[in-house]
Amino acid sequence: GIQVEQSPPDLILQEGANSTLRCNFSDSVNNLQWFHQNPWGQLINLFYIPSGTKQNGRLSATTVATERYSLLYISSSQTTDSGVYFCAGNEKLTFGTGTRLTIIP
Amino acid sequence: DVKVTQSSRYLVKRTGEKVFLECVQDMDHENMFWYRQDPGLGLRLIYFSYDVKMKEKGDIPEGYSVSREKKERFSLILESASTNQTSMYLCASSFLGVYNEQFFGPGTRLTVL
Repeated sequence: GIQVEQSPPDLILQEGANSTLRCNFSDSVNNLQWFHQNPWGQLINLFYIPSGTKQNGRLSATTVATERYSLLYISSSQTTDSGVYFCAGNEKLTFGTGTRLTIIP
Repeated sequence: DVKVTQSSRYLVKRTGEKVFLECVQDMDHENMFWYRQDPGLGLRLIYFSYDVKMKEKGDIPEGYSVSREKKERFSLILESASTNQTSMYLCASSFLGVYNEQFFGPGTRLTVL
């Protein structure tokens, strides 16, 4: 099966900073999704983005399917953005190991 | 809004007990999935189902079985719970087809003593 690598594994930023999270796939994928896992463990859907660019408020995502990677941008970070961010792909989702984001007030 | 619910948020069971985890979705999705999440190992697929009474093994099916008698409900069964099945269990659902965004329930944190 495909391998999913996320970077960086940990990120600590001051409130107001911008960040870029990356997801690399070992093979072509479809159904690429980004999630934020809240402190209670639930996975919140951020983007469903097999290709192209999408924006939702302070968050945006870009997937370049031909080069097998996806990026998640978070601008003007807030403390509520803290948590673990996962990317996942394919019909039976294969997940990366996540990026733990900590926003310091 | 898609809603996926799981029967319990927290569950404590003893070794050897039979455990049922229930998942219900209200969006008429064909696909349903069970994953477990462990520190350092990420989320791994246990079983999935693409139709009533249909099931397929995921990456780590050993020690688990599933049941799908109705379209909206997918149950994960631990026939004889063991301590290495202590984990966070997440259910998801999606439409059938090539492009199918998955939606997750809140998770069940199971502890086996």
